Amino acid sequence: DAGITQSPRHKVTETGTPVTLRCHQTENHRYMYWYRQDPGHGLRLIHYSYGVKDTDKGEVSDGYSVSRSKTEDFLLTLESATSSQTSVYFCAISERGGDTEAFFGQGTRLTVV
Amino acid sequence: GNSVTQMEGPVTLSEEAFLTINCTYTATGYPSLFWYVQYPGEGLQLLLKATKADDKGSNKGFEATYRKETTSFHLEKGSVQVSDSAVYFCALRGGLTGGGNKLTFGTGTQLKVEL
Repeated sequence: DAGITQSPRHKVTETGTPVTLRCHQTENHRYMYWYRQDPGHGLRLIHYSYGVKDTDKGEVSDGYSVSRSKTEDFLLTLESATSSQTSVYFCAISERGGDTEAFFGQGTRLTVV
Repeated sequence: GNSVTQMEGPVTLSEEAFLTINCTYTATGYPSLFWYVQYPGEGLQLLLKATKADDKGSNKGFEATYRKETTSFHLEKGSVQVSDSAVYFCALRGGLTGGGNKLTFGTGTQLKVEL
């Protein structure tokens, strides 16, 4: 299995509070992605990174920010959590773009109350 | 931008039935195409892929052919098993549009296989 760890695995937080989710990899892969999974929407890309300090927005980036100061860590921050951000969040890594396989973490279930 | 459309589920089949899950895509250029599978409570894992027109990806009895003329990548299996019950995602990456390394997924199709 690819070395990819998401933390926490479960979190309940209150509306308006900041939340940070962490994705840690031991594969030295260049690309890292954050997705959210919601019924009826599949996986939607929030942000991705193509190198240290190099990030770009996905289709649902509003209300989220990311940082990547080291190859192995990709942090997703909900600046002020809202109930619409209740979801399951997945991190993925990929050695290259193109046809290379992406490996997924186990997911973080976030509930905003 | 790139997009992927898959048939809605759930798809319910009897064991040993033939499976088709439709997937079409929109992209400029020559994207790579993927099928990922998600078992309950787990992350996604790659099932198969194809990188150019007319390529056939295959794995575990599943197949999909990259059809550029119809912009499709339909997933098929000749005889499904109960253990194939999962959610299947079609995805693409690459092509000439901006963000060529974004990995774009469809909405997923849930498959239920009954005895």
